[in-house]
Amino acid sequence: GESVGLHLPTLSVQEGDNSIINCAYSNSASDYFIWYKQESGKGPQFIIDIRSNMDKRQGQRVTVLLNKTVKHLSLQIAATQPGDSAVYFCAENPRVGAQKLVFGQGTRLTINP
Amino acid sequence: SQTIHQWPATLVQPVGSPLSLECTVEGTSNPNLYWYRQAAGRGLQLLFYSVGIGQISSEVPQNLSASRPQDRQFILSSKKLLLSDSGFYLCAWRWDANEKLFFGSGTQLSVL
Repeated sequence: GESVGLHLPTLSVQEGDNSIINCAYSNSASDYFIWYKQESGKGPQFIIDIRSNMDKRQGQRVTVLLNKTVKHLSLQIAATQPGDSAVYFCAENPRVGAQKLVFGQGTRLTINP
Repeated sequence: SQTIHQWPATLVQPVGSPLSLECTVEGTSNPNLYWYRQAAGRGLQLLFYSVGIGQISSEVPQNLSASRPQDRQFILSSKKLLLSDSGFYLCAWRWDANEKLFFGSGTQLSVL
């Protein structure tokens, strides 16, 4: 379920390194997953999505991996840049036809120069 | 292309005053519409969603209400604001279930 009351976990990486942000989900019926990036004071921005019939999907500098066996989703960002500093949220569609997405608690990514 | 407009960007209101936040979507018809609230440094809390004109589903019983008077217009209201209503309010839309959400730019509400 939604974890709106928890403080955000933080991930710090060196500029130029790869970042991996993880998300666990609990609903085996979830069929669609989305990653969002939220910069300070702005609304969340769509990054990449993946349907449950896929294990991997690549975008520009980003890759999403889905492991349905262990109910795990990850976002990989290649060659992290200062502009990647933000809070990253995963979201899942808990079942076909669900009217609401379920959001993870978010992870704050900090880039060290 | 589709765009979502949300205003105002910031709002400072005294306790006990009314509230009206408006959200409109352009470039699509019959979108699913959502209101979220986000406390500083926290996750997204779904407040209301609507799948059609006049259809409102409330997720959290509270001091707020929502209305959808037109297909692409979603309004968040309160008759008397509380201190605890402070937060970052986000409107979002999507074409249908099983699709991604598109968020507006948000309204930072401070109740003093």
